[in-house]
Amino acid sequence: DAGITQSPRHKVTETGTPVTLRCHQTENHRYMYWYRQDPGHGLRLIHYSYGVKDTDKGEVSDGYSVSRSKTEDFLLTLESATSSQTSVYFCAISESWRNQPQHFGDGTRLSIL
Amino acid sequence: KQEVTQIPAALSVPEGENLVLNCSFTDSAIYNLQWFRQDPGKGLTSLLLIQSSQREQTSGRLNASLDKSSGRSTLYIAASQPGDSATYLCAVSNSGYALNFGKGTSLLVTP
Repeated sequence: DAGITQSPRHKVTETGTPVTLRCHQTENHRYMYWYRQDPGHGLRLIHYSYGVKDTDKGEVSDGYSVSRSKTEDFLLTLESATSSQTSVYFCAISESWRNQPQHFGDGTRLSIL
Repeated sequence: KQEVTQIPAALSVPEGENLVLNCSFTDSAIYNLQWFRQDPGKGLTSLLLIQSSQREQTSGRLNASLDKSSGRSTLYIAASQPGDSATYLCAVSNSGYALNFGKGTSLLVTP
């Protein structure tokens, strides 16, 4: 299995609080991604990174920010959490954006009350 | 916008049967197509990746085919086992970075 660790694995918080999710990889892959998975919507890309300090938006980026200061760490921040951001969040990594598989972490289940 | 559809949404088969899962997509200008497996409460496991120039890929009892012109892919599972029970997801890459996922087929293989 690809060396991807997501933390925390579960979190419950209140509306309006800031939340940061962490993805740590040991594979030295250049590309990292954050997805959310919701019933009825499937998996959707939030943000991705193509190198240290290089990030860009995905399909559902509103309300989220990311940072990547080291190759191995990719952080997803909800500045002021809302109930609509209750979801399961997955981090993925890949060696290349083209024709290399993405490998996923085990996810973070986030509940915002 | 790329739309990815997987049929059927759920499937139950007895152990030992060969089965086919279907995936269709609306925009044929893809870089690649990937099949994943997801077990309950777990992340996705990459099964097969087919590049746009390829017609099929095989791994053990799994065979995935790609017909880009018709916007279709199939995942063939031979001699199914109870351990194959999971949700199978199809995803296509159009713009390189993002994967567009289908909603998956939930497979149950009964002993």
